[in-house]
Amino acid sequence: QKEVEQDPGPLSVPEGAIVSLNCTYSNSAFQYFMWYRQYSRKGPELLMYTYSSGNKEDGRFTAQVDKSSKYISLFIRDSQPSDSATYLCATPDTGRRALTFGSGTRLQVQP
Amino acid sequence: NAGVTQTPKFRILKIGQSMTLQCAQDMNHNYMYWYRQDPGMGLKLIYYSVGAGITDKGEVPNGYNVSRSTTEDFPLRLELAAPSQTSVYFCASSYSSPLYEQYFGPGTRLTVT
Repeated sequence: QKEVEQDPGPLSVPEGAIVSLNCTYSNSAFQYFMWYRQYSRKGPELLMYTYSSGNKEDGRFTAQVDKSSKYISLFIRDSQPSDSATYLCATPDTGRRALTFGSGTRLQVQP
Repeated sequence: NAGVTQTPKFRILKIGQSMTLQCAQDMNHNYMYWYRQDPGMGLKLIYYSVGAGITDKGEVPNGYNVSRSTTEDFPLRLELAAPSQTSVYFCASSYSSPLYEQYFGPGTRLTVT
């Protein structure tokens, strides 16, 4: 079983839609969770960072962690064409050496 | 600040050839990483370094070598290139442990034929 699993998509939505992107993880010891955004032919960049359970909001973006079900989500409100990218969830590996990434979900927001 | 820079941007290698992917950062970060990204497969860690002179293997180190003689530079060496090494390679750095934000370079697209 992969440590972090993510539906690869692609996910296509109309502009203005609410988008839900999801990941599951296997190791209950994971506590820190990140969402990286990767535009086509670019390196990933950090979008949001959450610790343990609960929600964190930043503008149109909300990150949610449910430790009981080992489920992490990223919600995008009022999605824009500029949100079209691949979104990768990530968590520091057990030894905190580096990040373990999900496979990424490709999002396309249609104008 | 240039951030994390990688050269070359693109490269085509023949099977059995060798090459070095260059990576440099100007943020005085201690941690540096090499990842490869295959289509639809996310990022896999090849090697990482927690400081000059200290390197360790990641998830997929076979066929690669690294060195870290300075804080700024973290080159990745491919020996005896194989088609399975066709991928996009990303270098990244962070101030300290991966709990800190990782900054990624623009990537090197490598094709081995």
